[in-house]
Amino acid sequence: EVQLVESGGGLVKPGGSLRLSCAASGFTFSSYNMNWVRQAPGKGLEWVSSISSSSSYIFYADSVKGRFTISRDNAKNSLYLQMNSLRAEDTAVYYCARAIGILFSSSYYFDYWGQGTLVTVSS
Amino acid sequence: QSVLTQPSSASGTPGQRVTISCSGSSSNIGSNTVNWYQQLPGTAPKLLIYSNNQRPSGVPDRFSGSKSGTSASLAISGLQSEDEADYYCAAWDDSLNGVVFGGGTKLTVV
Repeated sequence: EVQLVESGGGLVKPGGSLRLSCAASGFTFSSYNMNWVRQAPGKGLEWVSSISSSSSYIFYADSVKGRFTISRDNAKNSLYLQMNSLRAEDTAVYYCARAIGILFSSSYYFDYWGQGTLVTVSS
Repeated sequence: QSVLTQPSSASGTPGQRVTISCSGSSSNIGSNTVNWYQQLPGTAPKLLIYSNNQRPSGVPDRFSGSKSGTSASLAISGLQSEDEADYYCAAWDDSLNGVVFGGGTKLTVV
């Protein structure tokens, strides 16, 4: 059974940093592109970042570019999101999602999602 | 402001057929496939339709998707109370080099 379990969320002050983790199990982690998607309270889904299976390709939403860093450790079946210079507008539930398809191809979608971890940026 | 445009709400009665639209542009829906996600209250999103019109295993055939040009639609037939959820369309965007979502449509079964 595919499982994605996020952790690392919490309350942080504006300008602070946080590192999210996503532990994957039930599939060959190193064969899949992985992603972070967030959802602000009461709002819609927003794609944050994607990383290819071998970390060769990485993409970020403009809203987090230069502040967030996605990475993965295939030996540990884990995905990470280092978040720096956090702002109030980064407050959201952050979901880890497995992708099917090749990055920047015509068909790319998220077939499994974690339960999410809440990040609150407030003084 | 979301890149893909969806109605904010939709409603129907049990047994009815409802459709949810999703409008984009040549850099996203016009050149890439559309996917739909269902988010039940208080839960994580779930893949509902992929590659415009394909259903993952376990998704009832009451759910169907279609795409034409730079627009797509999700249809739900035989509406049930458990279909009350938020529905999101999404696609890869060649200009932004990322996935874009619609703002979401809240479906109410009255």
